Amino acid sequence: DIVMTQGALPNPVPSGESASITCQSSKSLLYSDGKTYLNWYLQRPGQSPQLLIYWMSTRASGVSDRFSGSGSGTDFTLKISRVEAEDVGVYYCQQFLEFPLTFGSGTKLEIK
Amino acid sequence: EVQLQQSGAELGKPGTSVKLSCKVSGYNIRNTYMHWVNQRPGKGLEWIGRIDPANGNTIYAEKFKSKATLTADTSSNTAYMQLSQLKSDDTAIYFCAVTIAATSHYVMDAWGQGASVTVSS
Repeated sequence: DIVMTQGALPNPVPSGESASITCQSSKSLLYSDGKTYLNWYLQRPGQSPQLLIYWMSTRASGVSDRFSGSGSGTDFTLKISRVEAEDVGVYYCQQFLEFPLTFGSGTKLEIK
Repeated sequence: EVQLQQSGAELGKPGTSVKLSCKVSGYNIRNTYMHWVNQRPGKGLEWIGRIDPANGNTIYAEKFKSKATLTADTSSNTAYMQLSQLKSDDTAIYFCAVTIAATSHYVMDAWGQGASVTVSS
């Protein structure tokens, strides 16, 4: 199985500052079609996960442009610009290159 | 607006089975895959498997092959997951999720509210 490893944040992050969440995969998620098979989700407290980014850098419908995704084949970053109170929650990266689909263990964001 | 409405909380005894449902409104499930994901108390997300409701084709994570059974009823636009031989380790919240707008059926952009399963004697 592809293992997804996420980094921690130096919580709490001051409101208005930027936050970068890292994710590393045990296998390259860059496929021969040129696409990178990585998603990012946010799970706010007490809620279901919601999709933020897919194909590593494509924002999902309705997602603020404060969220951006980047990376290479195995190292990825979700950047949140000007963090706000509504950004609080746990962020997960997820690969969909191979079965089983696998998630990172999550990165918690707290706001000061 | 697309909505995924999951069935309510379940309390099951060890060794028994439970069947969860996920009814979709605003979108035809024949046009997508239905995924199931669990979240054990205080833990992260774990993919269980997916079903193609158009033909019943299923793919499971290895560890859930003898635990979960995915089915779908296109006439009612509802998907189901049966969990068998319940153990305390199956205590979790179970989410259903589909792809609506993203360009891959493995990008989950609409989620149910989750259904709690508690296994206890």
